[in-house]
Amino acid sequence: SQTIHQWPATLVQPVGSPLSLECTVEGTSNPNLYWYRQAAGRGLQLLFYSVGIGQISSEVPQNLSASRPQDRQFILSSKKLLLSDSGFYLCAWYGGTGVLAKNIQYFGAGTRLSVL
Amino acid sequence: ELKVEQNPLFLSMQEGKNYTIYCNYSTTSDRLYWYRQDPGKSLESLFVLLSNGAVKQEGRLMASLDTKARLSTLHITAAVHDLSATYFCAVGNAGNMLTFGGGTRLMVKP
Repeated sequence: SQTIHQWPATLVQPVGSPLSLECTVEGTSNPNLYWYRQAAGRGLQLLFYSVGIGQISSEVPQNLSASRPQDRQFILSSKKLLLSDSGFYLCAWYGGTGVLAKNIQYFGAGTRLSVL
Repeated sequence: ELKVEQNPLFLSMQEGKNYTIYCNYSTTSDRLYWYRQDPGKSLESLFVLLSNGAVKQEGRLMASLDTKARLSTLHITAAVHDLSATYFCAVGNAGNMLTFGGGTRLMVKP
């Protein structure tokens, strides 16, 4: 079965420090991958999506970047964190192969980032 | 630009009562999702609606889609405390990028 892993689960970082959040998917090939951010008490905002290795599209201008070095790996990064980068970051996948892969976007457990 | 609006944003219900959450969206789409989020947790998929008139039911929750009206509803029947959570609708477009509504925080009181 397909599973999605995100780490770390919780992160506290000082302003100006770098960031690297990792997401990996198991049990499928060539999925679409997504990064979302949820501010406290708010809905989700799409940050980046990728349809394949090295292919990244950004939905909003921001202090973050994303990379997809392998088919099932998606990384969210920042060179210098801002206070406004705090939030709940969720990785998701869609498509790929397998019966469960159709029509549903599955979410990882999320990373709660606090920038102080 | 696609906009998705949910209402109400907050709902406090008594156990055993019925209620409906509404999700309106601004442009044509061929897929509508409902998710549940418990506090501090990720999103759990509830329903995927793919065509006009689609209706899906799971336990005390029933979702429907009217693509002509650009409206989806999530109906709660005889609410129980375990249904307390935040519910999101989301509309998918090309590449299945999802645009989420603001969420409805549901509290079911005994």
